[in-house]
Amino acid sequence: KQEVTQIPAALSVPEGENLVLNCSFTDSAIYNLQWFRQDPGKGLTSLLLIQSSQREQTSGRLNASLDKSSGRSTLYIAASQPGDSATYLCAPLCNQFYFGTGTSLTVIP
Amino acid sequence: DAGVTQSPTHLIKTRGQQVTLRCSPKSGHDTVSWYQQALGQGPQFIFQYYEEEERQRGNFPDRFSGHQFPNYSSELNVNALLLGDSALYLCASSLFETQYFGPGTRLLVL
Repeated sequence: KQEVTQIPAALSVPEGENLVLNCSFTDSAIYNLQWFRQDPGKGLTSLLLIQSSQREQTSGRLNASLDKSSGRSTLYIAASQPGDSATYLCAPLCNQFYFGTGTSLTVIP
Repeated sequence: DAGVTQSPTHLIKTRGQQVTLRCSPKSGHDTVSWYQQALGQGPQFIFQYYEEEERQRGNFPDRFSGHQFPNYSSELNVNALLLGDSALYLCASSLFETQYFGPGTRLLVL
């Protein structure tokens, strides 16, 4: 069974900082990996999807990397803003999506 | 284009009752997945429907069942509710690989 770990569990940074969120998974036989954002009490918003054959994917201030062989992915957020405050979840896809417990990010103005 | 919609938004039930949650997928999407998210946890996969058939199932008991209609909308049914079924229930639709989530239904079992 796929186990997904996200570190750190919580992060608080001042506005403008660049930051990295980490995701590790135990089964490297994945089809792809998706990063999501979740605001309190809300559904999930897809941020980036990386195919298993890709190394990274970029969207605006977000960059996600994938090292399938070592079971790791990182989400890099550049020039953080208060509106980035949310919980970030990674989800590798095997035969189903497995989610970590997320990193709760607070960006302080 | 409306995204994924779910109803109701909130629901309160008592132990032993039955509940039905509904999901309308994003336009053009033919696959619907259901997830349970307990407080402070990541979503856990319940099952996925494609062409009105259950295609994948996670580690959930038979009390959890579902249905997909010809218009691709879906229902999640939970029988004999337990206190531990209290959670946010999320529906996601997809056409290929990217999943799009609805806002969820918050279920409280008393």
